[in-house]
Amino acid sequence: LAKTTQPISMDSYEGQEVNITCSHNNIATNDYITWYQQFPSQGPRFIIQGYKTKVTNEVASLFIPADRKSSTLSLPRVSLSDTAVYYCLVGDMNRDDKIIFGKGTRLHILP
Amino acid sequence: EAGVAQSPRYKIIEKRQSVAFWCNPISGHATLYWYQQILGQGPKLLIQFQNNGVVDDSQLPKDRFSAERLKGVDSTLKIQPAKLEDSAVYLCASSLSSRPLRQETQYFGPGTRLLVL
Repeated sequence: LAKTTQPISMDSYEGQEVNITCSHNNIATNDYITWYQQFPSQGPRFIIQGYKTKVTNEVASLFIPADRKSSTLSLPRVSLSDTAVYYCLVGDMNRDDKIIFGKGTRLHILP
Repeated sequence: EAGVAQSPRYKIIEKRQSVAFWCNPISGHATLYWYQQILGQGPKLLIQFQNNGVVDDSQLPKDRFSAERLKGVDSTLKIQPAKLEDSAVYLCASSLSSRPLRQETQYFGPGTRLLVL
């Protein structure tokens, strides 16, 4: 299992673009990278998943460099409601890999 | 589409008492997970069901925790007897596939917040 490392916390301001980087130096060939978002008093919510290069959806973008040893979740023009904990997970889509949530990154958006 | 339902939302009990949590996954989802989330930490998988069979319960404290998923739909998680360190949020999640692929998108319920005094 590839271990992931994320910053414990980040602060940003409304309207800014926020980038959260996750390190996964031991990522395996078949591993995918998945990000979840968790608001206070709620369960985690899937944001985005990718394997390489760039993935974009209506919520975020995920940038994965060629060596795949890290990934960056990009949130465009954040608002106060983006204040949450963001988890980066790595695992094999084709096997029953254990999914392990770390402590995540606590993102605090300021007005 | 209705989400994952859990009840109760909050529960306060004294140590050594018993407690049970209920989860109704999204209709048609074959896989169901129970997680424990202690304050300030990420969710930790307790048990995974594939339909009504257990796939993984390696992190379930089996001396006090039990879970079942009768008929492959609803599930209950029980703690008997509870300890102070069981205070946490218990999250239920489900995913569509009948194959145990944990990287498949999991849909989480709101959780049950348990406080053991």
